[in-house]
Amino acid sequence: AQSVTQLDSHVSVSEGTPVLLRCNYSSSYSPSLFWYVQHPNKGLQLLLKYTSAATLVKGINGFEAEFKKSETSFHLTKPSAHMSDAAEYFCVVSDPQTGANNLFFGTGTRLTVIP
Amino acid sequence: SAVISQKPSRDICQRGTSLTIQCQVDSQVTMMFWYRQQPGQSLTLIATANQGSEATYESGFVIDKFPISRPNLTFSTLTVSNMSPEDSSIYLCSARNQGVSSYEQYFGPGTRLTVT
Repeated sequence: AQSVTQLDSHVSVSEGTPVLLRCNYSSSYSPSLFWYVQHPNKGLQLLLKYTSAATLVKGINGFEAEFKKSETSFHLTKPSAHMSDAAEYFCVVSDPQTGANNLFFGTGTRLTVIP
Repeated sequence: SAVISQKPSRDICQRGTSLTIQCQVDSQVTMMFWYRQQPGQSLTLIATANQGSEATYESGFVIDKFPISRPNLTFSTLTVSNMSPEDSSIYLCSARNQGVSSYEQYFGPGTRLTVT
């Protein structure tokens, strides 16, 4: 069965400092993994995805994530936080090999950026 | 990519009434989905909207409460029936195409529903 654990419900960083949002997954096979961002009153936007290609995935807005199978992790990072990065971030897992239609969402991490 | 719009964007409804949410995709898509996001919670899949046939509901969701239509490859509706305050949530429409990027999924802006 697939599941996602986002280890921090809330992360607060100062503008210009690095961002680390942690995600661990559980999946029977090699999963597809995603990070989505949700700004207030806006729809979910795909930041990046891992689908069994390169383990270091670069996304939009300077974000990247590294798939580490040995650690079952897919942490999201950004070298320097910007005020516009303040939002809710969701780590998501899907398991193509089981033919599952469902995306399994983590509980989300709210990122606050302090000026 | 696909751009998804939803109507209404928000509504305040009285208990016992029903609300139909519309979802329009700017291109034909293979699969459409409806999710619920309760206050402060993550997203939960309600059902997969199947074109020309009955929707496939997830555990805990039933057709009588959440009837869904999908008359074509670009449009779907979700009705929240006989509403109670517990139905207050954001309802999101989502879509994806099967293929090389079959698990890249797009989301609408959501419909914020408050039931009084």
